[in-house]
Formats: sequence, structure tokens, C-alpha cells
Amino acid sequence: SQTIHQWPATLVQPVGSPLSLECTVEGTSNPNLYWYRQAAGRGLQLLFYSVGIGQISSEVPQNLSASRPQDRQFILSSKKLLLSDSGFYLCAWRAGSPFGQKAFFGQGTRLTVV
Amino acid sequence: TQLLEQSPQFLSIQEGENLTVYCNSSSVFSSLQWYRQEPGEGPVLLVTVVTGGEVKKLKRLTFQFGDARKDSSLHITAAQPGDTGLYLCAGGNTGFQKLVFGTGTRLLVSP
Repeated sequence: SQTIHQWPATLVQPVGSPLSLECTVEGTSNPNLYWYRQAAGRGLQLLFYSVGIGQISSEVPQNLSASRPQDRQFILSSKKLLLSDSGFYLCAWRAGSPFGQKAFFGQGTRLTVV
Repeated sequence: TQLLEQSPQFLSIQEGENLTVYCNSSSVFSSLQWYRQEPGEGPVLLVTVVTGGEVKKLKRLTFQFGDARKDSSLHITAAQPGDTGLYLCAGGNTGFQKLVFGTGTRLLVSP
């Protein structure tokens, strides 16, 4: 079966510190991978998506970056965090048939920048 | 940038009432999905619609995709407290790559 792991679940980081969030998928190959950020009670903002190893599309220009070093690994990074980077970060994957176009989400990372 | 605007942003109703949530965009999408999210968890898919004018029903929930594939609606009949949550629409592009989510509608159904 397919599973998605995202860690850590909670993170408190000081302003100016680096960030690395990791997401891995099991049980499928060549998935489309996504990073979203969500403000409390609001919709999901698409940050990055990837359709293959080393292929990253950026939706929001800011001090975040993403990398896909392996087929089922997606990493969100920052060199220096800002207060505005606080939020709930979600990793997701999608694949074709037989999953249709359904997106599967990780449990999310609650990031607080202090 | 493709944007999906949902309305209303927040809805508080009594058990048994009907409601409709709207999802609108100026962009055309190849597919439109609706998700529901509980606090602290990732969204869970409710339905996918891919044909303009398509209507799908899941028990008390009715989903419609606009003829021009730019908008969608979710109608809930006789809402129950268990329907409480954040409802999100999401638009997919041709090529099955980008997935853009809407601004969200928070629904609270009181007993």
C-alpha cells in the first residue's frame, strides 16, 4: 500500500535559522510531489511541485526552496527563516490510474518561527 | 497564477439546514476536486469532477462542475454536526501536474 511520511510534526525555529522538512512516499513510483503551506483555517497555498527527480516548479517566489534528490523524496528548505514563514506545511503526492487524480497528504508540519 | 476563490469563507448553521459552497476561478481547469480537512490533518478527497456540467451525488452531498469548467459548487442537504470541517476545492490542469487549492470554507454545524 502507498504511504507518505512527513517530518517533523512540530518545529519551533528562531528567525534567521535554516529549515529542512522532508517528505517520503512509499509504495508508488514516479509520483507528482507537492509542498503546500496553510494559514489557520484557510486554503492551501501551492509552494512547489515536482513531476520527476530534479524537476522543481516554483509557484511562490520567496526564501524557500525545494529539491527532489530521489524519486520518492521531496525536501523543503530555507537558508534563513522569516516570521512570515510560520504555518502548517503539507506534503502531498499524486499519481495516475488507478488512483485517479486523488492527492494523498502527509500529516503536516506545524512550523513556528520565533 | 491560477486562483480559486471560495465563498463563503465561514458558515455557521444549525443541524438540518441546507447549504451551498461555491468555488470560482477565471481559469479553466481540466478537473475539479473537493476535499474536506479536519484540524491538524491533511485534506481528504470527497469527489473529482472532470466534465463540464457534471453533477455527482454522494449521499447528502451534491457536487457540480460548471459548464465552462471554471467553477464548481458543493451542496449539502440536511447538514449534520459530523459535516463540520474545512472544505477545499482544488483545480487540476491538463497534463496532470499542478494542483491548485481554493481559499477554503469553514463549516460549523451545531446540534
